Amino acid sequence: EVQLVESGGGLVQPGGSLRLSCAASGFTFSSYEMNWVRQAPGKGLEWVSYISSSGSTIYYADSVKGRFTISRDNAKNSLYLQMNSLRAEDTAVYYCARVSESSSSLDYWGQGTLVTVSS
Amino acid sequence: EIVLTQSPATLSLSPGERATLSCRASQSVSSYLAWYQQKPGQAPRLLIYDASNRATGIPARFSGSGSGTDFTLTISSLEPEDFAVYYCQQRSNWVFGQGTRLEIK
Repeated sequence: EVQLVESGGGLVQPGGSLRLSCAASGFTFSSYEMNWVRQAPGKGLEWVSYISSSGSTIYYADSVKGRFTISRDNAKNSLYLQMNSLRAEDTAVYYCARVSESSSSLDYWGQGTLVTVSS
Repeated sequence: EIVLTQSPATLSLSPGERATLSCRASQSVSSYLAWYQQKPGQAPRLLIYDASNRATGIPARFSGSGSGTDFTLTISSLEPEDFAVYYCQQRSNWVFGQGTRLEIK
């Protein structure tokens, strides 16, 4: 069974940092592209970042470029999101999601981890 | 940058009725469009991929159509569990539409 489990969320002050993790199981993690997607309270889904299966190709939304860093450790079946210079508008539930091997869609999602940026 | 615009923002229907949701892209995305369903407190769930293919386990009452810039998600006969928020997404820059809330009338 495919499972994605996020962790690392919490309360952080503006300007602070946080590192999110996503533990993957039930599939060959190293073969799949991955994404981070977030959802602010009461708002829609916002794509945050993409990483290829090898980690060689990375994309970011303009809203987080220069502040967030996506990475992966295929030996540990884990995806990460290092978030620096956090702002109030980064407050959201952060989901990791797997890119389908056969289509251009996100076929499995974690349950999400809440990040709250507030003083 | 490709922008996805969903309409309507809110759709009020009764169980048993047919729902038609629209997603329009600012430029062609070919057939690289997906639809997701999200219920309160839950992660999104993939419904349709590549514009018209149902994901594993998705009931046949859900169907997708379209290509290029205009796409439609149709729910042929609404069940109580279908009332949720629906998002479209395209692969080019991974962005989502703003969502359509399907509510009980």
